[in-house]
Amino acid sequence: EDQVTQSPEALRLQEGESSSLNCSYTVSGLRGLFWYRQDPGKGPEFLFTLYSAGEEKEKERLKATLTKKESFLHITAPKPEDSATYLCAVQAMRGYSTLTFGKGTMLLVSP
Amino acid sequence: DTGVSQDPRHKITKRGQNVTFRCDPISEHNRLYWYRQTLGQGPEFLTYFQNEAQLEKSRLLSDRFSAERPKGSFSTLEIQRTEQGDSAMYLCATQGAGVNEQFFGPGTRLTVL
Repeated sequence: EDQVTQSPEALRLQEGESSSLNCSYTVSGLRGLFWYRQDPGKGPEFLFTLYSAGEEKEKERLKATLTKKESFLHITAPKPEDSATYLCAVQAMRGYSTLTFGKGTMLLVSP
Repeated sequence: DTGVSQDPRHKITKRGQNVTFRCDPISEHNRLYWYRQTLGQGPEFLTYFQNEAQLEKSRLLSDRFSAERPKGSFSTLEIQRTEQGDSAMYLCATQGAGVNEQFFGPGTRLTVL
């Protein structure tokens, strides 16, 4: 069974204080690992897809990296508008591309 | 707006009533997924359509749940005889052919009293 574990569950940062979120996964044949951002009461917003170990993707203050067992979402000099829940999901090679999500990391950035 | 849309955004119902939700996909996205999300949890897969065919259903999907996608366009998710445990956010996601990314709608928040 595919599993995704995210840590920490919650993270509070000061504006400008860089940090990383962790996503550990087990999957029988990884097709892709996805990062989403979710604001309260809204649907997840797609951020990145990573396919193979060593791959990195960047978008503004966010950078996602992937190893064979985990992924990191690095947040550099965060701003209050980066406050959200960040979800990690895996997609297995088998089956119909369904996503298995972790519980998310709730990030709060204070000014 | 060319994103995924869902209707209604919020639904409050009494236990035992039937409810139906609608999802309109991004144009030309042939794959459509329903997920359910409860507070503090990530979304959990419910069912998958490729065009009009329902190809996969989670064991989470009890007999009270049914989904359709007539003509491979919009989809509906119906819950019969709702229970308090059905209270959750119901999310629809769509995916285009040849790509792996899924794009989510805003969700329907269901509250069963």
